[in-house]
Amino acid sequence: DAKTTQPNSMESNEEEPVHLPCNHSTISGTDYIHWYRQLPSQGPEYVIHGLTSNVNNRMASLAIAEDRKSSTLILHRATLRDAAVYYCILRRGAGGTSYGKLTFGQGTILTVHP
Amino acid sequence: DTEVTQTPKHLVMGMTNKKSLKCEQHMGHRAMYWYKQKAKKPPELMFVYSYEKLSINESVPSRFSPECPNSSLLNLHLHALQPEDSALYLCASSPPVAGVARYRYNEQFFGPGTRLTVL
Repeated sequence: DAKTTQPNSMESNEEEPVHLPCNHSTISGTDYIHWYRQLPSQGPEYVIHGLTSNVNNRMASLAIAEDRKSSTLILHRATLRDAAVYYCILRRGAGGTSYGKLTFGQGTILTVHP
Repeated sequence: DTEVTQTPKHLVMGMTNKKSLKCEQHMGHRAMYWYKQKAKKPPELMFVYSYEKLSINESVPSRFSPECPNSSLLNLHLHALQPEDSALYLCASSPPVAGVARYRYNEQFFGPGTRLTVL
């Protein structure tokens, strides 16, 4: 499976935007970029995913570089509830029997200050 | 019902005990997963069931035995565990991607986990 690289930790202030980077230089053409987050004492939670184009949903936006070797998760206005570990994961798409398998990396610990 | 439930929330067992973890979802998802998460580490995949068939076993020791009796229920049977097996055990489920091969799945929905302590 292709690997991702994320900063160990990031800090933000409440109500400010947060840009969480992820490098995935060995991504293949059929790999989807998934983001999950894990709040303290909870199971991971799906945030967003994309393939080539930028994506928006109610939780966040995903900006994907043109060469797909990096992506950025954008939280438009951080709240205290957004403090979590954020995982950037490459999920194999067509052509494989991966059954949606997710391989988690170390993730980025996001701290949000009041 | 839009959530994955896991029971029990906490479990303490001795190395000679036999216990089971239970996971349930009623969202019609056809893939179900077991993950293990040690403290301050990311989740690690253990097993994947697709349409009630064991599809991936990530070389998990035989003291962990998964079972998928029906499309809504996933069990993890535990026997002769070691203290290093103490961890948070997470269950997840995923809906199939409409109109494509049966083994294509999208986002996973996770349960809150079972905190297991092996004495």
